[in-house]
Amino acid sequence: KQEVTQIPAALSVPEGENLVLNCSFTDSAIYNLQWFRQDPGKGLTSLLLIQSSQREQTSGRLNASLDKSSGRSTLYIAASQPGDSATYLCAVRSYGGATNKLIFGTGTLLAVQP
Amino acid sequence: NAGVMQNPRHLVRRRGQEARLRCSPVKGHSHVYWYRQLPEEGLKFMVYLQKENIIDESGMPKERFSAEFPKEGPSILRIQQVVRGDSAAYFCASSLSASGDYEQYFGPGTRLTVT
Repeated sequence: KQEVTQIPAALSVPEGENLVLNCSFTDSAIYNLQWFRQDPGKGLTSLLLIQSSQREQTSGRLNASLDKSSGRSTLYIAASQPGDSATYLCAVRSYGGATNKLIFGTGTLLAVQP
Repeated sequence: NAGVMQNPRHLVRRRGQEARLRCSPVKGHSHVYWYRQLPEEGLKFMVYLQKENIIDESGMPKERFSAEFPKEGPSILRIQQVVRGDSAAYFCASSLSASGDYEQYFGPGTRLTVT
């Protein structure tokens, strides 16, 4: 059974700092891994999608890496800004018969202090 | 292009009432997934539907919950006789294909509060 863990659960950093969020999963049989951002009381914003054959994806100040064999992904945020404050979720799409559902971690709550 | 639409965005129901949550997928998408986010918990899969068919309902509570995705119209998640524990955010996602390498696109969610 696939399980997704995110560490740390919460993180507070000063503005301008580079930071890394971690995601680990127990079963390496995945199609892809996706990072989302969720603001309080809001929906999910997809940030980056990494297919299982890829090692990393970049979008602006964000870079996500995937090491499928070790069951790990990291989301790197460069030069953090107060507007980056949100909960960051990772989700994996495992081989799962007809469903291929997403399995989510519980998230990292990020606070960037001005 | 419109993304996934969900309505209502906020729904308040008294215990014992019925809640009906609607999801209109991205145009052309025939695969719909429902997820639930309980307070202080992560998102959990509930059900996967393809037009007129329930493919996987392994995450649905056995009683009071049902889902449909008719040939015409939105997908509906129905909760009968709601209880306080049903208070959560319910998210719908759609995809073009069931294949695992196709992305799921999420709606803004419906926040259900049971009083």
